[in-house]
Formats: sequence, structure tokens, C-alpha cells
Amino acid sequence: AQSVTQLDSQVPVFEEAPVELRCNYSSSVSVYLFWYVQYPNQGLQLLLKYLSGSTLVESINGFEAEFNKSQTSFHLRKPSVHISDTAEYFCAVSDDGGSNYKLTFGKGTLLTVNP
Amino acid sequence: GAGVSQSPRYKVAKRGQDVALRCDPISGHVSLFWYQQALGQGPEFLTYFQNEAQLDKSGLPSDRFFAERPEGSVSTLKIQRTQQEDSAVYLCASSLALGGGYGYTFGSGTRLTVV
Repeated sequence: AQSVTQLDSQVPVFEEAPVELRCNYSSSVSVYLFWYVQYPNQGLQLLLKYLSGSTLVESINGFEAEFNKSQTSFHLRKPSVHISDTAEYFCAVSDDGGSNYKLTFGKGTLLTVNP
Repeated sequence: GAGVSQSPRYKVAKRGQDVALRCDPISGHVSLFWYQQALGQGPEFLTYFQNEAQLDKSGLPSDRFFAERPEGSVSTLKIQRTQQEDSAVYLCASSLALGGGYGYTFGSGTRLTVV
């Protein structure tokens, strides 16, 4: 079984500031890792994913996350945030085997970008 | 369709009432998933279909919950004799790939309130 811990439930930042949303996971097997974003009144959207290969993965809108196996972390970063990045961000994990369809989510981090 | 469509968006049910929640996945997506998202929590896995076959229903919280996908397209999640603890957002997701380890497309969810 896996578990995901998102260490911050809320992160307020000012526009154009850098941000890091922290995610740690626990698993006894190899994993796939995901970040999903949920804008108000919308469904979850896949932001980026780590399946294998390069441990640094990037999204099209400037976010990046780095898989750190030794620290069992997959923190999400952006060097300069915009007002439009205000949303709830969920880290998720699945195993990389036969149950890879089953995602385990963290409780989410609400990112609020202020002008 | 262009995305995963769920209906109704909002449902208020009296305790003890039966409800049915509908999901229209993206056309051609073979994998379909239901998740439950309680207030302030991340989504939790309920069940998984591959075409019309329900391959995993381990996350259904009780025998009052039942899901079906008879023709391998539209799915219905039914909750019998609703209880207050069933109040949550119910999310449907679909995936083109068998399994889901490559990321899902989520619908906007149905918010169920049991009064």
C-alpha cells in the first residue's frame, strides 16, 4: 500500500515569487508519481508525471517536479507564479505494476497567488 | 465528447434515498474510474472498469454502493439508502490506455449532499 503526505495545506505567495509545494510518499514498491491541479468548480487536470527516466519533469506552463528516490519526495516548483496559478494541487502515486490504475492522492495544497 | 461529462453536477438527497450518478467518458476510452472526494481530502479510489468489466471494486465503502458500465461506455454509480457520510464529490475519470498509470482525464464531479 502507498501513502502520500502533502506537508502544507495552504501556501500563500505573491505574484512573481517562486513557490515549492512539498510531497512525500511511502511505498514498498517502485512507483509512478503525478501532480494534478484542480481549479475552482473544475475536475482534476494532470499537470505532470514521472514514470521513468529523467528524474526532473516539466509541465507546459512552467512547473517542474523532481523525483528523489532516496528522500521519497516529488516536490513541485515554479520560479515565478501568476495569479492564474491559484488552485488546489494534489500529489498522487501509483505502483508501476499490475495495480498502476489505482492512484493514491494526498490531501492537497491550496496555492493562493496574491497581487 | 471532448471531455468526461458527469451529471448531475449537484445532488441533494434525503437520508435513506437512493441516488444514481452518471458518467460519460471520452469516446474510445477503455478504462473508467470512480473516485470519492470528501471535503478537505484528496480523492479516494472506488472502482475501475476496463470496457464493461469491473476489474476492481475494492474501494467501494459498503454494499450500498454499486457501479456498472454495461456497454463499455457510460457508467452509473448508484448509492442505496444514502447516509450523511456519503456526502462528497464523486469524480469519474477515463483513460485511453489499459490501466491508468499514464494519467487520467477527470470529469468535474457530482457533489452529493445528504441531508
